[in-house]
Amino acid sequence: DGGITQSPKYLFRKEGQNVTLSCEQNLNHDAMYWYRQDPGQGLRLIYYSQIVNDFQKGDIAEGYSVSREKKESFPLTVTSAQKNPTAFYLCASSPSGGTFQETQYFGPGTRLLVL
Amino acid sequence: AQSVTQPDIHITVSEGASLELRCNYSYGATPYLFWYVQSPGQGLQLLLKYFSGDTLVQGIKGFEAEFKRSQSSFNLRKPSVHWSDAAEYFCAVGFTSGTYKYIFGTGTRLKVLA
Repeated sequence: DGGITQSPKYLFRKEGQNVTLSCEQNLNHDAMYWYRQDPGQGLRLIYYSQIVNDFQKGDIAEGYSVSREKKESFPLTVTSAQKNPTAFYLCASSPSGGTFQETQYFGPGTRLLVL
Repeated sequence: AQSVTQPDIHITVSEGASLELRCNYSYGATPYLFWYVQSPGQGLQLLLKYFSGDTLVQGIKGFEAEFKRSQSSFNLRKPSVHWSDAAEYFCAVGFTSGTYKYIFGTGTRLKVLA
């Protein structure tokens, strides 16, 4: 089955530690996205990528980093500079990211908690 | 600036009753509008979307939404709610700013009483 997988489902971070969230898709989509979801708030865009080896900052990129070395993979690193990382992180993809006619497909999410 | 408002944080309805979830947007140009549903601990699933044309849009799972430009609204409706509809619903507006971006509302959590 085609889809988006995110791992792990739950992730715990210690103070000063960098952690990496995995996002893989087998939909052959060019565009991939990372969103952060906090209780009572809508989704906010962290980073997006429309092509391999290229990515752009979203609205809340500070304290996060990404890479896009392969079309199917778009890992997100939450660095120690992100002072409030506790949230639900959602990865999404769409065929090209070049039109709203496309549907964004979402993964099941990773919940990050700080110890 | 673009914005999306979902004025109802929580809504409770009885199974079989009708449902309307409100969404208001602020956007200067023709909006691209979306409704998503999120089950607990899951990602979002697209219910329906509006770009142009017929202002009444049909979606999956028996949902529909009506675009009213004069009211800047895009309310989601369902004539008869099922217990499986209990979830959180997000309205979103799409706009271009260097790329194609979305602004999501804060969500409405739906509870269904048996």
